[in-house]
Amino acid sequence: AQSVSQHNHHVILSEAASLELGCNYSYGGTVNLFWYVQYPGQHLQLLLKYFSGDPLVKGIKGFEAEFIKSKFSFNLRKPSVQWSDTAEYFCAVNRANKIIFGKGTRLHILP
Amino acid sequence: DTGVSQDPRHKITKRGQNVTFRCDPISEHNRLYWYRQTLGQGPEFLTYFQNEAQLEKSRLLSDRFSAERPKGSFSTLEIQRTEQGDSAMYLCASSPYDGTNYGYTFGSGTRLTVV
Repeated sequence: AQSVSQHNHHVILSEAASLELGCNYSYGGTVNLFWYVQYPGQHLQLLLKYFSGDPLVKGIKGFEAEFIKSKFSFNLRKPSVQWSDTAEYFCAVNRANKIIFGKGTRLHILP
Repeated sequence: DTGVSQDPRHKITKRGQNVTFRCDPISEHNRLYWYRQTLGQGPEFLTYFQNEAQLEKSRLLSDRFSAERPKGSFSTLEIQRTEQGDSAMYLCASSPYDGTNYGYTFGSGTRLTVV
């Protein structure tokens, strides 16, 4: 079935550690890709998006993601995480006029 | 506040009762989406509107669910004869005409608990 897969359901890191959250999708053809973040008690916010051009996209708060078409991947990275990055992160793909979300990765940063 | 507003924030209802939620999108956005999110899952698409036209409904949207956007501005989502399985966070989002390149702006959601 066509889907968006996030590899890790729960990640725990210490402050200043590097982060990489995996995301794979199974849709063919042209895709628009997104990462959303949901901080505790807050609504979903767009972190970054890819729709064309440079496959390395930069988002807010020092996050970046790389689109690798051959691997159907769109992994999220941050070189040095902070305690305030504790949140749930959702990878998403736009298909047929709607955005399809992965199940999310809950990130917990230890101070 | 020019974001997406949802009302109420929380709703507790008894099984079998009807509930209605409201969403006010960003005023210049003519696409409006409803999603449902349960614990441990990502948001699941329910339906979307372009202006007042409902263009797609998910199979998740049973006959007990109905959504409207009568004047192309705010939208309502009604659930009739609620069941415990309807307990979830109901999210509304809006976007400009073509959401593919912009992503959506989400509201804070309405958390429904059916007891």
